[in-house]
Amino acid sequence: GAGVSQSPSNKVTEKGKDVELRCDPISGHTALYWYRQRLGQGLEFLIYFQGNSAPDKSGLPSDRFSAERTGESVSTLTIQRTQQEDSAVYLCASSSQTGALGGYTFGSGTRLTVV
Amino acid sequence: AQSVTQLGSHVSVSEGALVLLRCNYSSSVPPYLFWYVQYPNQGLQLLLKYTTGATLVKGINGFEAEFKKSETSFHLTKPSAHMSDAAEYFCAVSDTGNQFYFGTGTSLTVIP
Repeated sequence: GAGVSQSPSNKVTEKGKDVELRCDPISGHTALYWYRQRLGQGLEFLIYFQGNSAPDKSGLPSDRFSAERTGESVSTLTIQRTQQEDSAVYLCASSSQTGALGGYTFGSGTRLTVV
Repeated sequence: AQSVTQLGSHVSVSEGALVLLRCNYSSSVPPYLFWYVQYPNQGLQLLLKYTTGATLVKGINGFEAEFKKSETSFHLTKPSAHMSDAAEYFCAVSDTGNQFYFGTGTSLTVIP
């Protein structure tokens, strides 16, 4: 596609429910990143996919968080048993160059509210 | 470990005045440095980047930044602020180019 597409744009969920966030990167982009942006805070790295290599999961805050990516296409970020502190904007970015030296292209994000 | 410090979470300038947004980083190796801008209700957009070469880099919308190794800084400037510059600005650093570390952001307000 022309840009990085994320869905849904907004999600309100009850505490304890599972949620799945989707990211559709730019076609041909080999690298895909997930970040979390809490209100009034910077971007927090969650996970990084590069081609068929094992993902860098070092930023995932707990085992309730997981992400998958099939090949160089869509990625899903799953949060199980959501908590109120999970409320944030979840941003996905993709890049055409290894290491993203060309700069990321970000999606508009999914705003998650846990009530 | 990488880290980025953006001094001033909120900056206000008058329209036409100089914009200066500060960014300092810590890196054990020569870094890659980026500035991103986030307009209200939009995703982040790349404003400019430093990877190698000239230390003064120019970006979109009249912004520029200078990499100063001795000061570990990469401050963002624009000679004359415009109302449309009101946004959140994020500085980011990477050493390997695989993982990026973002600052907490600076919200720029332009006063008419």
